[in-house]
Amino acid sequence: EVQLLESGGGLVQPGGSLRLSCTASGFSFSHYAMTWVRQAPGKGLEWVSGISGGGESKFYADSVKGRFTISRDNSENTLFLEINSLRADDTAVYYCAKVKIYAASGAMDVWGQGITVTVSS
Amino acid sequence: DIQMTQSPSSLSASVGDRVTITCRASQDIYNFLAWYQQKPGKLPQLLIYNAASLQSGVPSRFSGSGSGTDFTLTISSLQPEDVATYYCQKYNSGPFTFGPGTKVDVK
Repeated sequence: EVQLLESGGGLVQPGGSLRLSCTASGFSFSHYAMTWVRQAPGKGLEWVSGISGGGESKFYADSVKGRFTISRDNSENTLFLEINSLRADDTAVYYCAKVKIYAASGAMDVWGQGITVTVSS
Repeated sequence: DIQMTQSPSSLSASVGDRVTITCRASQDIYNFLAWYQQKPGKLPQLLIYNAASLQSGVPSRFSGSGSGTDFTLTISSLQPEDVATYYCQKYNSGPFTFGPGTKVDVK
């Protein structure tokens, strides 16, 4: 069974940092791009960042560029999102999702359960 | 960056009705478009990819069409379990933006 399990969320003060992880199972992790999508309370989906299967191509939303860093460890089947300089508007549920193809330019067919990040003093 | 819009923002229809949701891109995105369904309190689910390809396991009453800048998601016969918010997403090039969503209710 294909599964994605996020971890690393929590309550953080403004200006703080977090590292989100997403552990994958049930598929050949390195063959597929992965993405992070977030959803603020009561709001729509916001695509955050994507990375190709081998990690050579990375993409970011303008709202997070320079503060967020996406990476992956294919030997550990794990996706990461390093989040720095956190702001109140980063408060959201963060989902990791598997892309249907190796390149990040594809649709997302498997989603994790999501992890909550709350930025508050 | 390419902007994505959806219309309407919400709609209410009767069971059995044909429902159409429109997604528009500010520039040509060819057929690099997906549609997702998010039921209340649930995870998003991929319905359509590459504008018109039905994702495995998705009921055949869902269909997608369009290319370039104008796209449509159609539910041929609305069912009670289709109450959800529907999002389009473009992925021709980064950033891979979602539309603002269309909330569908059943009368």
